[in-house]
Amino acid sequence: DAGVIQSPRHEVTEMGQEVTLRCKPISGHDYLFWYRQTMMRGLELLIYFNNNVPIDDSGMPEDRFSAKMPNASFSTLKIQPSEPRDSAVYFCASSIDRAYGYTFGSGTRLTVV
Amino acid sequence: GIQVEQSPPDLILQEGANSTLRCNFSDSVNNLQWFHQNPWGQLINLFYIPSGTKQNGRLSATTVATERYSLLYISSSQTTDSGVYFCAVSIAEGSGGGADGLTFGKGTHLIIQP
Repeated sequence: DAGVIQSPRHEVTEMGQEVTLRCKPISGHDYLFWYRQTMMRGLELLIYFNNNVPIDDSGMPEDRFSAKMPNASFSTLKIQPSEPRDSAVYFCASSIDRAYGYTFGSGTRLTVV
Repeated sequence: GIQVEQSPPDLILQEGANSTLRCNFSDSVNNLQWFHQNPWGQLINLFYIPSGTKQNGRLSATTVATERYSLLYISSSQTTDSGVYFCAVSIAEGSGGGADGLTFGKGTHLIIQP
């Protein structure tokens, strides 16, 4: 099992550009989560999906952020336009059920200059 | 929303020492998990423990749900235990299965010195 796979590992972009982060959950995991980690705010839930359907997107900062899960094996988090305050590590996690824990990917470190 | 407070924020120990990390939460939960974030940033799930006690090697955890706290014990610390330990919870809304978004505490930064 390759675990949760995120790409890219690092992304540096200029303010105003579109950024797309990608995640492949563990096969068979029905739940997929996007988190953001910053020094100031810690780990924050952005959105999560169950069976490809968004369940709770209340953590999405603003309209510049959008997330999709077109199928069970792929999800994207898009920021358009990006701003320097979006700089953070973005984690994707998946789970089959809370009792089995949550598996996190290695994260994408985003720097917006 | 639910509040999660972890203590101490920082802890420096010598190799071989034991430690206790605490997590207090402000509401009833149906999901409580402990994670270790290693110095390379990887988040590893340690325990799913909304109540009761579990042990895994040198690590054990206890959650007293009625008093809204959880403890993580690390015995015979090794340098590889260094990193940040997070407690994360979600609010109880029924007894069904499934999963939901977790609220994380700020973490305990543990440094184990050789």
